Amino acid sequence: AQTVTQSQPEMSVQEAETVTLSCTYDTSENNYYLFWYKQPPSRQMILVIRQEAYKQQNATENRFSVNFQKAAKSFSLKISDSQLGDTAMYFCAFPSTGANSKLTFGKGITLSVRP
Amino acid sequence: DTGVSQDPRHKITKRGQNVTFRCDPISEHNRLYWYRQTLGQGPEFLTYFQNEAQLEKSRLLSDRFSAERPKGSFSTLEIQRTEQGDSAMYLCASSLGQGVTSPLHFGNGTRLTVT
Repeated sequence: AQTVTQSQPEMSVQEAETVTLSCTYDTSENNYYLFWYKQPPSRQMILVIRQEAYKQQNATENRFSVNFQKAAKSFSLKISDSQLGDTAMYFCAFPSTGANSKLTFGKGITLSVRP
Repeated sequence: DTGVSQDPRHKITKRGQNVTFRCDPISEHNRLYWYRQTLGQGPEFLTYFQNEAQLEKSRLLSDRFSAERPKGSFSTLEIQRTEQGDSAMYLCASSLGQGVTSPLHFGNGTRLTVT
Protein backbone atom coordinates (compact mmCIF):
# COMPACT_ATOMS: atom_id res chain seq x y z
CA ALA A 1 0.00 0.00 0.00
CA GLN A 2 1.15 3.50 -0.76
CA THR A 3 1.37 5.68 2.34
CA VAL A 4 2.33 9.21 3.32
CA THR A 5 3.76 9.88 6.78
CA GLN A 6 4.15 13.22 8.51
CA SER A 7 5.51 12.42 11.94
CA GLN A 8 5.77 15.97 13.34
CA PRO A 9 2.31 17.12 14.46
CA GLU A 10 3.36 20.67 15.33
CA MET A 11 6.26 23.03 14.72
CA SER A 12 7.01 26.59 15.64
CA VAL A 13 9.44 29.06 14.07
CA GLN A 14 10.44 32.64 14.66
CA GLU A 15 9.53 35.11 11.97
CA ALA A 16 12.28 35.51 9.34
CA GLU A 17 13.88 32.19 10.23
CA THR A 18 13.95 28.96 8.24
CA VAL A 19 11.96 25.84 9.03
CA THR A 20 11.86 22.38 7.47
CA LEU A 21 8.78 20.16 7.48
CA SER A 22 9.31 16.44 6.99
CA CYS A 23 7.41 13.90 4.93
CA THR A 24 8.14 10.31 4.00
CA TYR A 25 6.20 8.08 1.68
CA ASP A 26 6.15 4.56 0.41
CA THR A 27 5.56 3.52 -3.17
CA SER A 28 6.49 0.96 -5.75
CA GLU A 29 5.99 3.44 -8.58
CA ASN A 30 8.96 4.91 -10.40
CA ASN A 31 7.49 8.03 -11.97
CA TYR A 32 5.20 10.12 -9.84
CA TYR A 33 4.56 13.58 -8.42
CA LEU A 34 4.68 14.79 -4.85
CA PHE A 35 2.86 17.82 -3.47
CA TRP A 36 2.81 20.12 -0.48
CA TYR A 37 -0.48 21.85 0.27
CA LYS A 38 -1.10 24.63 2.78
CA GLN A 39 -4.33 25.14 4.74
CA PRO A 40 -4.42 28.46 6.63
CA PRO A 41 -6.82 28.74 9.59
CA SER A 42 -10.41 28.81 8.33
CA ARG A 43 -9.27 29.21 4.75
CA GLN A 44 -9.12 26.98 1.74
CA MET A 45 -6.31 24.63 0.95
CA ILE A 46 -3.85 25.76 -1.69
CA LEU A 47 -0.95 24.15 -3.51
CA VAL A 48 2.47 25.28 -2.29
CA ILE A 49 4.83 23.30 -4.45
CA ARG A 50 5.11 20.07 -6.44
CA GLN A 51 8.00 17.82 -7.36
CA GLU A 52 8.31 15.43 -10.28
CA ALA A 53 10.10 12.28 -9.20
CA TYR A 54 12.03 11.85 -12.43
CA LYS A 55 13.60 15.31 -12.10
CA GLN A 56 16.91 15.48 -10.25
CA GLN A 57 16.53 19.15 -9.42
CA ASN A 58 14.61 20.07 -6.30
CA ALA A 59 11.58 22.28 -6.95
CA THR A 60 11.61 25.88 -5.75
CA GLU A 61 8.81 28.44 -5.50
CA ASN A 62 10.05 31.74 -4.07
CA ARG A 63 10.65 31.12 -0.34
CA PHE A 64 9.52 27.50 -0.57
CA SER A 65 11.78 24.68 -1.68
CA VAL A 66 11.86 20.93 -1.35
CA ASN A 67 14.55 18.45 -0.45
CA PHE A 68 13.58 15.39 -2.44
CA GLN A 69 15.49 12.20 -1.66
CA LYS A 70 14.02 9.58 -3.98
CA ALA A 71 16.01 6.62 -2.67
CA ALA A 72 15.09 7.47 0.91
CA LYS A 73 11.49 8.28 -0.13
CA SER A 74 11.72 11.58 1.68
CA PHE A 75 10.12 14.84 0.59
CA SER A 76 10.67 17.73 2.99
CA LEU A 77 9.54 21.32 2.61
CA LYS A 78 11.83 24.19 3.53
CA ILE A 79 10.34 27.60 4.20
CA SER A 80 12.89 30.41 4.21
CA ASP A 81 12.38 33.84 5.74
CA SER A 82 9.21 32.67 7.50
CA GLN A 83 6.33 35.13 7.56
CA LEU A 84 3.31 35.37 9.85
CA GLY A 85 1.13 34.44 6.89
CA ASP A 86 2.88 31.08 6.69
CA THR A 87 1.03 30.00 9.84
CA ALA A 88 -1.09 27.08 8.63
CA MET A 89 -1.41 23.33 8.44
CA TYR A 90 0.86 21.82 5.80
CA PHE A 91 0.00 18.55 4.11
CA CYS A 92 2.24 16.33 2.05
CA ALA A 93 0.29 14.53 -0.67
CA PHE A 94 1.01 11.68 -3.03
CA PRO A 95 -0.95 9.86 -5.75
CA SER A 96 -2.29 6.65 -4.27
CA THR A 97 -2.21 4.29 -7.20
CA GLY A 98 -0.53 5.63 -10.27
CA ALA A 99 -0.65 9.01 -11.91
CA ASN A 100 -4.34 8.92 -12.79
CA SER A 101 -5.73 8.31 -9.37
CA LYS A 102 -6.51 10.46 -6.38
CA LEU A 103 -4.12 12.07 -3.91
CA THR A 104 -3.51 10.62 -0.48
CA PHE A 105 -2.72 13.25 2.13
CA GLY A 106 -0.60 12.94 5.23
CA LYS A 107 -1.99 13.90 8.62
CA GLY A 108 -0.46 17.34 8.35
CA ILE A 109 1.85 19.55 10.38
CA THR A 110 0.61 22.62 12.21
CA LEU A 111 3.16 25.39 11.71
CA SER A 112 3.07 28.47 13.89
CA VAL A 113 5.20 31.49 12.99
CA ARG A 114 6.00 33.63 16.03
CA PRO A 115 6.38 37.41 15.68
CA ASP B 1 -11.48 32.18 -12.47
CA THR B 2 -14.04 32.41 -9.68
CA GLY B 3 -12.63 29.42 -7.83
CA VAL B 4 -14.38 26.38 -6.43
CA SER B 5 -17.45 27.25 -4.43
CA GLN B 6 -19.28 25.07 -1.95
CA ASP B 7 -22.67 25.50 -0.41
CA PRO B 8 -23.59 25.66 2.40
CA ARG B 9 -20.55 26.67 4.45
CA HIS B 10 -22.03 25.19 7.59
CA LYS B 11 -24.77 22.65 8.20
CA ILE B 12 -26.12 21.51 11.53
CA THR B 13 -28.51 18.60 11.40
CA LYS B 14 -30.05 16.08 13.72
CA ARG B 15 -29.04 12.46 13.56
CA GLY B 16 -31.12 10.55 11.07
CA GLN B 17 -31.78 13.49 8.77
CA ASN B 18 -30.62 13.68 5.17
CA VAL B 19 -28.29 16.43 3.98
CA THR B 20 -27.08 17.52 0.56
CA PHE B 21 -24.04 19.60 -0.28
CA ARG B 22 -23.26 21.31 -3.54
CA CYS B 23 -19.95 22.02 -5.25
CA ASP B 24 -19.40 24.27 -8.24
CA PRO B 25 -15.95 23.62 -9.72
CA ILE B 26 -13.87 25.97 -11.83
CA SER B 27 -15.79 26.03 -15.07
CA GLU B 28 -13.30 24.40 -17.44
CA HIS B 29 -12.14 21.75 -14.98
CA ASN B 30 -13.08 18.21 -15.98
CA ARG B 31 -12.18 16.47 -12.71
CA LEU B 32 -14.03 16.92 -9.45
CA TYR B 33 -13.11 15.35 -6.13
CA TRP B 34 -14.84 15.01 -2.77
CA TYR B 35 -12.75 14.68 0.37
CA ARG B 36 -13.66 14.50 4.05
CA GLN B 37 -11.51 16.10 6.74
CA THR B 38 -11.85 15.65 10.47
CA LEU B 39 -10.24 17.94 13.01
CA GLY B 40 -6.46 17.76 13.00
CA GLN B 41 -6.33 15.25 10.16
CA GLY B 42 -5.56 15.35 6.48
CA PRO B 43 -8.29 15.11 3.87
CA GLU B 44 -9.51 11.59 3.14
CA PHE B 45 -10.60 10.75 -0.38
CA LEU B 46 -14.28 9.94 -0.89
CA THR B 47 -14.92 9.93 -4.63
CA TYR B 48 -14.07 11.61 -7.91
CA PHE B 49 -15.62 12.36 -11.27
CA GLN B 50 -14.15 12.87 -14.67
CA ASN B 51 -16.76 14.93 -16.44
CA GLU B 52 -20.07 13.26 -15.50
CA ALA B 53 -18.60 9.81 -14.87
CA GLN B 54 -17.94 8.75 -11.29
CA LEU B 55 -14.67 6.85 -11.68
CA GLU B 56 -13.79 5.84 -8.16
CA LYS B 57 -15.37 5.59 -4.73
CA SER B 58 -13.59 5.06 -1.44
CA ARG B 59 -14.63 2.36 0.96
CA LEU B 60 -15.31 5.27 3.32
CA LEU B 61 -18.30 6.05 1.13
CA SER B 62 -20.95 3.83 2.65
CA ASP B 63 -24.28 3.21 0.94
CA ARG B 64 -25.68 6.19 2.86
CA PHE B 65 -23.50 8.46 0.73
CA SER B 66 -24.21 9.26 -2.88
CA ALA B 67 -22.60 11.74 -5.22
CA GLU B 68 -23.65 12.97 -8.62
CA ARG B 69 -22.27 15.27 -11.25
CA PRO B 70 -24.99 15.69 -13.88
CA LYS B 71 -23.78 17.16 -17.16
CA GLY B 72 -20.24 17.27 -15.86
CA SER B 73 -20.67 20.62 -14.16
CA PHE B 74 -21.65 21.05 -10.50
CA SER B 75 -21.72 18.10 -8.12
CA THR B 76 -23.84 17.14 -5.15
CA LEU B 77 -22.98 14.92 -2.22
CA GLU B 78 -25.91 13.51 -0.26
CA ILE B 79 -25.72 11.80 3.08
CA GLN B 80 -28.80 9.88 4.12
CA ARG B 81 -29.70 9.00 7.72
CA THR B 82 -26.81 11.03 9.11
CA GLU B 83 -24.84 9.72 12.06
CA GLN B 84 -22.68 11.61 14.55
CA GLY B 85 -19.61 10.07 12.97
CA ASP B 86 -20.43 11.93 9.77
CA SER B 87 -19.53 15.22 11.45
CA ALA B 88 -16.60 16.60 9.48
CA MET B 89 -15.52 19.14 6.90
CA TYR B 90 -16.47 18.04 3.39
CA LEU B 91 -14.08 19.44 0.82
CA CYS B 92 -14.58 19.66 -2.90
CA ALA B 93 -11.69 20.12 -5.33
CA SER B 94 -11.42 20.36 -9.07
CA SER B 95 -8.63 20.04 -11.60
CA LEU B 96 -7.99 20.15 -15.32
CA GLY B 97 -6.41 17.21 -17.04
CA GLN B 98 -6.30 13.48 -17.18
CA GLY B 99 -4.19 12.70 -14.18
CA VAL B 100 -3.70 13.63 -10.58
CA THR B 101 -0.54 15.51 -11.53
CA SER B 102 -2.65 18.58 -12.20
CA PRO B 103 -2.97 20.76 -9.09
CA LEU B 104 -6.19 20.47 -7.13
CA HIS B 105 -8.14 23.66 -6.51
CA PHE B 106 -10.10 23.38 -3.29
CA GLY B 107 -13.26 25.06 -2.13
CA ASN B 108 -13.77 26.40 1.38
CA GLY B 109 -15.59 23.26 2.42
CA THR B 110 -18.91 22.49 4.08
CA ARG B 111 -18.69 21.88 7.80
CA LEU B 112 -21.28 19.32 8.90
CA THR B 113 -22.28 18.93 12.52
CA VAL B 114 -24.61 16.06 13.38
CA THR B 115 -26.25 16.41 16.78
